[in-house]
Amino acid sequence: QSALTQPRSVSGSPGRSVTISCTGTNSDVGGYDFVSWYQHHPGKAPKIIIFDVTKRPSGVSHRFSGSKSANTASLTISGLQAEDEADYYCCSYAGSYTWVFGGGTTLTVL
Amino acid sequence: QITLKESGPTLVKPTQTLTLTCSFSGFSLTTNGVGVGWVRQSPGKALEWLALIYWNDYKRYIPSLKNRLTISKDISRNMVILTMTDMDPVDTGTYYCSLKYYDFFHFDSWGQGTLVTVSS
Repeated sequence: QSALTQPRSVSGSPGRSVTISCTGTNSDVGGYDFVSWYQHHPGKAPKIIIFDVTKRPSGVSHRFSGSKSANTASLTISGLQAEDEADYYCCSYAGSYTWVFGGGTTLTVL
Repeated sequence: QITLKESGPTLVKPTQTLTLTCSFSGFSLTTNGVGVGWVRQSPGKALEWLALIYWNDYKRYIPSLKNRLTISKDISRNMVILTMTDMDPVDTGTYYCSLKYYDFFHFDSWGQGTLVTVSS
């Protein structure tokens, strides 16, 4: 059970869009439509922003969207705002009631 | 409002046993479908799911640490307890607990985490 692969950092200007990738294997990302994404501002509790690949919990901005192709899931943040600056983690169900997370991506809003 | 809060020692010595507590409110572990999980993050590493316990006492552990982990619940005090034996410096990190619903495959609400350092 290896960690999912995410870019260490991404950046974008206010108002623009960024996409964060999350690459796994056929045993996790590619095998199930159960990828979730979490936003984490250091010192605070992580927050779920996407679940089941594309679904947004109530109260999460429509600027956050998710997708998946084969073994890679993606999180797109459109209309970047300063408050979006945070760490983002993907997570996938990996079968047998186990889960695997990504290494995290730091988003910088320029 | 759902809240979770982790607590435990900030410093443990190698080979000691770590005991962490997750105190929660806004939900009950007697409710069908409700569970609490633990996730940790060691410095510079990925988040790592550790363990889960559900309302019906069904438990799951990360296979690589299964022999060292025990998760349990105290219904009367709205708490979930995680013990990890034989602590090593590589176990240093921030430990989070999270609400997890059985029918869903994501971690819903999280605590802010508690930092544990393993050092002699």
